[in-house]
Amino acid sequence: GAVVSQHPSWVICKSGTSVKIECRSLDFQATTMFWYRQFPKQSLMLMATSNEGSKATYEQGVEKDKFLINHASLTLSTLTVTSAHPEDSSFYICSASGGQDAFFGQGTRLTVV
Amino acid sequence: RKEVEQDPGPFNVPEGATVAFNCTYSNSASQSFFWYRQDCRKEPKLLMSVYSSGNEDGRFTAQLNRASQYISLLIRDSKLSDSATYLCVVNSNSGYALNFGKGTSLLVTP
Repeated sequence: GAVVSQHPSWVICKSGTSVKIECRSLDFQATTMFWYRQFPKQSLMLMATSNEGSKATYEQGVEKDKFLINHASLTLSTLTVTSAHPEDSSFYICSASGGQDAFFGQGTRLTVV
Repeated sequence: RKEVEQDPGPFNVPEGATVAFNCTYSNSASQSFFWYRQDCRKEPKLLMSVYSSGNEDGRFTAQLNRASQYISLLIRDSKLSDSATYLCVVNSNSGYALNFGKGTSLLVTP
């Protein structure tokens, strides 16, 4: 099946710093990328949807200036958590779609200390 | 009301048991339905899609009742390796973006 690679798989950062998470589709062109967040014991929640070459569409309650999404190519999308705080600690996961199905990356566990 | 609701469990069952999970969804316009499996600290993996006619894949059977907006997953002859969290997933209005339930935790014991 299609492969989506997400890096890093885990990261610990200091409060106030920024963290970039990459999501790559390895064997298909991902016209749409989805970013999700999962807090402990909670469901996966969609944060934003991005189409290649255009601005991301954010879900209600997600700050677009804090969670910067770039989808500049058909194989790469990045999520940057700016000025991270402990409450941003979560499991972030991307999903890439080439039009038919969507495939998940491995997820990134972010811990902000 | 959450878009997708599941009983969080946990369900503790012995090997060989049959276990059923239920899920309800609120958006009657939803078109696609899935069960995903998520192991601890891992990404969710598609277990099976759910079709109106019901579908089976080995020990797993999924059912969809559109009138009641209800989805089920039946696991027969449980294995230790079935221990995981099972996520009920429904498509949102945003194409392939998905709405996930909180998941139902299953622990199969020897």
